[in-house]
Amino acid sequence: SAVISQKPSRDICQRGTSLTIQCQVDSQVTMMFWYRQQPGQSLTLIATANQGSEATYESGFVIDKFPISRPNLTFSTLTVSNMSPEDSSIYLCSVETIHSPYEQYFGPGTRLTVT
Amino acid sequence: QKEVEQNSGPLSVPEGAIASLNCTYSDRGSQSFFWYRQYSGKSPELIMSIYSNGDKEDGRFTAQLNKASQYVSLLIRDSQPSDSATYLCAVTEAGGSYIPTFGRGTSLIVHP
Repeated sequence: SAVISQKPSRDICQRGTSLTIQCQVDSQVTMMFWYRQQPGQSLTLIATANQGSEATYESGFVIDKFPISRPNLTFSTLTVSNMSPEDSSIYLCSVETIHSPYEQYFGPGTRLTVT
Repeated sequence: QKEVEQNSGPLSVPEGAIASLNCTYSDRGSQSFFWYRQYSGKSPELIMSIYSNGDKEDGRFTAQLNKASQYVSLLIRDSQPSDSATYLCAVTEAGGSYIPTFGRGTSLIVHP
């Protein structure tokens, strides 16, 4: 499995501001994803981060609100823009590797609170 | 729309007992099935994957898959308090995207 780190681990932000979350993997991976998990809820996929091209967003998520970059095979960022209290959640990066397709490995998560 | 259903629980079992967690899915074309464990305040951790009908054992964990009935289960033998967590079932369709559909999870409490 891959070792995944996320920064920051948590943050408290004011509404109207933006936060960029970084995801770094210790090895090359095929797929990178961004999820949101609200308290007591399951995982909601935001988007698939595509290397060198625009991310693929799930229904209900748009690029203007959640811009994503993936400049190489081991790094991705998710920005939560123009935040509101409804964006308070845990944001998780996950990856799939060529050796274990379909199996997802998750980063430690970023706990975001918007006041 | 693909759905993965789990009883939210909590499922409470005494230490040493067998915990049985169940998951049903709607897409008959599903081919890959996973169980993730998530401790409170932590991220999900993959603990089992199963791809064919029958049982797959790994230590105290056994995953059971029945494609005809569209359910997958996870048995935890000799349950320990450290097994207390939320268990997420995930299902991936055949030949489609690599993205699994996750259930809402079952909370397991193992009491001493």
